[in-house]
Amino acid sequence: EVQLLESGGGLVQPGGSLRLSCAASGFTFSNFVMTWVRQAPGKGLEWVSSINGRGGSTDYADSVKGRFSISRDNSKNTLYLQMSSLRGEDTAVYYCAKRNFYDILTGYSDYWGQGTLVTVSS
Amino acid sequence: EIVLTQSPGTLSLSPGERATLSCRASQSVSSRYLAWYQQKPGQAPRLLIYEASSRATGIPDRFSGSGSGTDFTLTISRLEPEDFAVYYCQQYGSSPETFGQGTKVGIK
Repeated sequence: EVQLLESGGGLVQPGGSLRLSCAASGFTFSNFVMTWVRQAPGKGLEWVSSINGRGGSTDYADSVKGRFSISRDNSKNTLYLQMSSLRGEDTAVYYCAKRNFYDILTGYSDYWGQGTLVTVSS
Repeated sequence: EIVLTQSPGTLSLSPGERATLSCRASQSVSSRYLAWYQQKPGQAPRLLIYEASSRATGIPDRFSGSGSGTDFTLTISRLEPEDFAVYYCQQYGSSPETFGQGTKVGIK
C-alpha cells in the first residue's frame, strides 16, 4: 500500500524558513517523480514544485522560485521542501504527491499524503 | 500559463441524479493531458480521471471523463452519498501545470 506522510509544518514568522519532509513507503520511491502541491485555507490547489526520480531535474512555480528548494534522498525514501523567505501568502496545507512517471516532471498525481499545515504569521 | 475555468461553482443535486461538471482551458491542452480529482473536507485530493477519460485504479464506472482541446467534462452518472465533494480539474500538458478553481457538488 502506497503511503506518504508529511511532517515539518508549523507556525513561522514572515521571512523565516522551514523544511518539510515526506516519508514514502509501499512503492519503489526512486522510480517516480514526486511533487509538492499546496492549498491555502478555503482555496483551491496550487502546484509548487516537482523533482524527477534521480533528483537531477526540478521545476518550480514562479510564486516560489528562488525561495523554495525541492530535493529527495532515495536511500531514505524521503522527499523534502526547503522553504525560505516565507510570506503570508505561503500559508497553506502542503501535500506531497507521487507521479506516475520517472522523468517527466509535469503529470497527474496518483497518490497524495494527508498534508502538513504551514502558517506564516507574526 | 493555461488558465482552467470550472463551472458551475456549485452544483446542488440529489442522490441518484446525474452531475455534469465543466472545465474550460484558456488554450488547447496538449495530448488531452487533463485530470480530475475529488476532495472531501479535511482530506487530500483523490485522483479520479487522467488523460481526460481514463479512470484511475479503483474508481467506480459511474465517473467518466470526456473532452479535448479546450473543453472537458466530468460526469457522475448517478450520485451516491459519498460523491458530494469538491472536484478539481488539472492540466499537465504544459508547464506550469495548473488547476481549476473547483466545483462543489452539494446535496439539494
